Amino acid sequence: GQNIDQPTEMTATEGAIVQINCTYQTSGFNGLFWYQQHAGEAPTFLSYNVLDGLEEKGRFSSFLSRSKGYSYLLLKELQMKDSASYLCAVRGSSNTGKLIFGQGTTLQVKP
Amino acid sequence: EAEVAQSPRYKITEKSQAVAFWCDPISGHATLYWYRQILGQGPELLVQFQDESVVDDSQLPKDRFSAERLKGVDSTLKIQPAELGDSAMYLCASSATTTSAYEQYFGPGTRLTVT
Repeated sequence: GQNIDQPTEMTATEGAIVQINCTYQTSGFNGLFWYQQHAGEAPTFLSYNVLDGLEEKGRFSSFLSRSKGYSYLLLKELQMKDSASYLCAVRGSSNTGKLIFGQGTTLQVKP
Repeated sequence: EAEVAQSPRYKITEKSQAVAFWCDPISGHATLYWYRQILGQGPELLVQFQDESVVDDSQLPKDRFSAERLKGVDSTLKIQPAELGDSAMYLCASSATTTSAYEQYFGPGTRLTVT
């Protein structure tokens, strides 16, 4: 079967650093995506990893280890507007490019 | 900046009624996706189109749901009859291709409430 696991909720303080983990078991692997979703809004693309290692984009970084089936999203210098749900999604071996989403991690940033 | 358009944004309907959602993808995007997102969960793919053809509808409840993309541009998702369990956010997304690093761009969604 296909399974993607993320913590349900996390809390962090404004200005701090937070790491959101994602583990996956899928039929094949053709890339991992992180999306941000504010309450009641559509998901927006944050990052894409297909090779092992760290991808940095401003305050956000994403890491992938394919051998461990593991990724994390690192958010630095947290701001109140970072309070949102963070979705991990894996593209498996399907030639349709289908994404399998995790349940999402709701991050609450406190002052 | 190009966006995926969806309408309506909100829909309240009684069970057993029919309901339809519309999506207009980003111009030039050949691939269109319909997802259902239940509160507190991640999006689940219902149907995927490549141009006007369905390439994945394995999770679409075909006894009550139907989807079409007749000219390979905009798309309609229909539910008939609606059931209480259909209450969810229905998201449309599009991408330039199905492969490589092309991310999917999501529309604002349609929040469906079935009473």
